[in-house]
Amino acid sequence: DADVTQTPRNRITKTGKRIMLECSQTKGHDRMYWYRQDPGLGLRLIYYSFDVKDINKGEISDGYSVSRQAQAKFSLSLESAIPNQTALYFCATSDFTSVRQETQYFGPGTRLLVL
Amino acid sequence: DAKTTQPPSMDCAEGRAANLPCNHSTISGNEYVYWYRQIHSQGPQYIIHGLKNNETNEMASLIITEDRKSSTLILPHATLRDTAVYYCIVRALNFGNEKLTFGTGTRLTIIP
Repeated sequence: DADVTQTPRNRITKTGKRIMLECSQTKGHDRMYWYRQDPGLGLRLIYYSFDVKDINKGEISDGYSVSRQAQAKFSLSLESAIPNQTALYFCATSDFTSVRQETQYFGPGTRLLVL
Repeated sequence: DAKTTQPPSMDCAEGRAANLPCNHSTISGNEYVYWYRQIHSQGPQYIIHGLKNNETNEMASLIITEDRKSSTLILPHATLRDTAVYYCIVRALNFGNEKLTFGTGTRLTIIP
């Protein structure tokens, strides 16, 4: 979905380096999420944010941090990258206008390789 | 969230209806059935969701059995671009349940 963009799309880094993955959305949604996907493990939630002042840990937040700079921007940082953080990372937004109607919209993903 | 069971793979001829089944026998009364798909490592794409009644949108139809223990996603006229992994997700829409739990899904291959 072009309304959710992620940069970079591909990144190779070395163990111990700090890197940042960025996500921007033009959908006007308050809620934003970061997931990672590993082969055979589905998607796992890293962090999520319901608005600019709200940050919550997901199921695998260790080794990661986030920043919600604005409604439209949600960044994921790896403070000191390690090889097992090699994965496909997705940002998502959701339109929680009512409890019956929430859906999540995903960005194109960032493929990260940590050497 | 209740667990789901899907066949690992299916084939469908181009132009025919693709019917993807999902079992969710432990579903609770407040849990919705969601379908997403992922085309070759792209971001997952929302397709449809429902609670009790059958639902239809421009992409697909969702048929939920009366006891809600299973459902079927129907792509009415499959095209080659529908080749993807399809995920059936059961999810309660309440606070504290923000994540989507993707299982292994069904890999649907559309045959020319």
